[in-house]
Formats: sequence, structure tokens, C-alpha cells
Amino acid sequence: DAGITQSPRHKVTETGTPVTLRCHQTENHRYMYWYRQDPGHGLRLIHYSYGVKDTDKGEVSDGYSVSRSKTEDFLLTLESATSSQTSVYFCAIAPGAYNTEAFFGQGTRLTVV
Amino acid sequence: QKEVEQDPGPLSVPEGAIVSLNCTYSNSAFQYFMWYRQYSRKGPELLMYTYSSGNKEDGRFTAQVDKSSKYISLFIRDSQPSDSATYLCAMSAETSYDKVIFGPGTSLSVIP
Repeated sequence: DAGITQSPRHKVTETGTPVTLRCHQTENHRYMYWYRQDPGHGLRLIHYSYGVKDTDKGEVSDGYSVSRSKTEDFLLTLESATSSQTSVYFCAIAPGAYNTEAFFGQGTRLTVV
Repeated sequence: QKEVEQDPGPLSVPEGAIVSLNCTYSNSAFQYFMWYRQYSRKGPELLMYTYSSGNKEDGRFTAQVDKSSKYISLFIRDSQPSDSATYLCAMSAETSYDKVIFGPGTSLSVIP
């Protein structure tokens, strides 16, 4: 999967707890993205990063924060998990901003109970 | 109305059949069109990319864009069991990946 590792792959957590998902890449790509995938909605962009410490919001950013302190790692944090955040989360990486270049990780399945 | 609509299926066809997967969209500014294939429990992978209208062929796959009707299609010829996956259409008005809008996906099963 183009040198992308998401961790954990599966997680069950309780409502109100903080959760951090990690995306690690070995490709030295500049761009990194976090998506969520839900039935009937397709992939929706949560946040993305265009460099170390450079991040921006996507379509569904409410309730999520991100951090990128080094090129290889992009962290997604749910400050206080809610049941509506139960989803499959995908990280993607790209060398540039162009829309043919992104490669996706294998996903993290998060269940909030 | 969602910006990108796609029949969710599931679509089940016999091996060797021609498969037609379709998406409609509402934003006339879209000009970059993509198809992704997603196997179960895996991330999406880019299958086809088309700019503006017209057809593009790659092996057994043909992507077709009709901007006047706001309709795109992916045709799979001589379908194989290995084509069983969810197919996502995606599109954008700009080249930036953060502007890409994905359809909900169509689940396809090719029966041997």
C-alpha cells in the first residue's frame, strides 16, 4: 500500500474518550489526508496536511483535530468520541496536490459505544 | 441532492459479462473524473482517470464521460471474479486533491 501504515487497524472505544489514529508513511510525500467512509456517503475529507505543521480543514472537520510534527506521521484525534464518529478512517498520501497522485492506506475501523 | 450519486447495488453478474457502473453529478464545473476500485477491507486504488468529456480505455476497462448529461460510466468487459469489489467514482473542478468529491460506491460481485 505505497508505504502507508495506519494504526490501530481496529479500535472500540467509549463515548466521551479521546482517541488518536496514526498514519505513518515511508514515501517522504508532502501531502497527507484523513478521510472517513460511511455507507451511503462515500469518502469524505476530514483534514489534510501540505507539509510539517501545515494543515487545513476538509468537509467534515468538526470534532476532529490533526497534527503533523514530522513528514512521516499524521495524527487524527477525536477529542471526545461520539457514536456518530463510528466509521472507517482512511489515510492517503501524495507527493503533490494533483488529483491523480494519492495512495490510500488500509483503513482503521473505529467503533464508539 | 447529493453532489455525486451512484447506484449502491449490490450488482451481481456472471463471469464474462459486460458491466456498466454509473455516476451522476450536479456540479457542471467538474472536469476531472476518476474511478477507484476498493476491495473488501482495503483502501481505494485509482483505476481510471479522465479529463473533460470523452472515452478512455485501459485493457478491459473503459471510462466514459458525458458532461452535457452530467453522467459518467465505467465499463468492464469480460468481467472476472477478481473484479468483485466496490467501485467509487470521484470528481473535481480543480486539480487539487482536497477538492475531490467521492460517490458512495457500487458493490460488484462477479460470479464464476
